[in-house]
Amino acid sequence: GAVVSQHPSWVICKSGTSVKIECRSLDFQATTMFWYRQFPKQSLMLMATSNEGSKATYEQGVEKDKFLINHASLTLSTLTVTSAHPEDSSFYICSAREPRGRQETQYFGPGTRLLVL
Amino acid sequence: DAKTTQPPSMDCAEGRAANLPCNHSTISGNEYVYWYRQIHSQGPQYIIHGLKNNETNEMASLIITEDRKSSTLILPHATLRDTAVYYCIVRGRNNNDMRFGAGTRLTVKP
Repeated sequence: GAVVSQHPSWVICKSGTSVKIECRSLDFQATTMFWYRQFPKQSLMLMATSNEGSKATYEQGVEKDKFLINHASLTLSTLTVTSAHPEDSSFYICSAREPRGRQETQYFGPGTRLLVL
Repeated sequence: DAKTTQPPSMDCAEGRAANLPCNHSTISGNEYVYWYRQIHSQGPQYIIHGLKNNETNEMASLIITEDRKSSTLILPHATLRDTAVYYCIVRGRNNNDMRFGAGTRLTVKP
């Protein structure tokens, strides 16, 4: 299957700082990328959908000014958590959709664990 | 997207087949059934997907009932490394994302 990478794999930061997470599709071009968040013992929750070259679409309840998404190329999307607070501590997972014939398949990165102190 | 229902947990003996059921009684004609799994502290891993025919790949088999209201993911010879949460997702071709339910926590025991 296709490979999606994330960097960093984990990050610890102080409250009030900003953190940038990168998501790359390594062997395919992804016109659409997705960002999910997962709290302990819960399922993944979709935060936003980003299309290359256009603004991201955020799910209800997700603050677009706090979670800045940039999808500048067909292989790279970034999520910046601005002014992070302890409640933003979570497992952030990106996903990229690979066009494959009539039915695209979505592949996921390994995730980034964020701890805000 | 059609809602799916999965048992919260299942056990399986190592070396035996693991059969994970999923109900999707409100599935519509253009919606596919996808299966992913998530091993602890990792991102979800794509397993298989299908529309109406049974599908098989190197990881698993997907059996979809004729009325498409339910499906079963089969891991033919489960190993300890197959212990994970398995998610069944129904998604239409024009829908833009995968939305996850609670999934089934499969525990493979020696």
